[in-house]
Amino acid sequence: DTEVTQTPKHLVMGMTNKKSLKCEQHMGHRAMYWYKQKAKKPPELMFVYSYEKLSINESVPSRFSPECPNSSLLNLHLHALQPEDSALYLCASSQLPGQGGQAGYTFGSGTRLTVV
Amino acid sequence: GNSVTQMEGPVTLSEEAFLTINCTYTATGYPSLFWYVQYPGEGLQLLLKATKADDKGSNKGFEATYRKETTSFHLEKGSVQVSDSAVYFCALINQAGTALIFGKGTTLSVSS
Repeated sequence: DTEVTQTPKHLVMGMTNKKSLKCEQHMGHRAMYWYKQKAKKPPELMFVYSYEKLSINESVPSRFSPECPNSSLLNLHLHALQPEDSALYLCASSQLPGQGGQAGYTFGSGTRLTVV
Repeated sequence: GNSVTQMEGPVTLSEEAFLTINCTYTATGYPSLFWYVQYPGEGLQLLLKATKADDKGSNKGFEATYRKETTSFHLEKGSVQVSDSAVYFCALINQAGTALIFGKGTTLSVSS
């Protein structure tokens, strides 16, 4: 299995809602990432997990809460989002940081989030 | 710091034309270099990669050569197709890096 699977593909939520984005990989990768991508822009790194522990938080607002329950799963919990948080949220995985340079990252197809 | 600079788009070509998208980078040590492609409404797919100087990555008719002397990794294709219309991102991971660093992306539009 060489895929990263993200669910749901589309999500519309109100500013008072709580929702979660899910990501799964079965490639044995021990690093997983959340990226945010606005239209016509490159992806921006949000969080990095290494060995299921949060290693990088790129100053992301606390209304985004990541979770890595095991080596195959990565969640992003959303609460009290703003309309400007509407974007494509991409999950990726790789071999360990520092070893990912050989194979690159594998990205999921993303969750397109709209906050109303 | 580490950064990637791509030529501004959009690039508009006719089918079967030759494609070049320029990419240069700034990094310490010996980064690995990548081209990713994003088709409309989709996530990113790895197109090709090179991990050391003078390596040539190739896939689906696309090629790019890791040039350390010019710090470049230009993407080329001899004959583009309409199906190649997408956004192309040049990216790097440095030796001690923990994340992929992207250029701003170049939109390619190919017409028949």
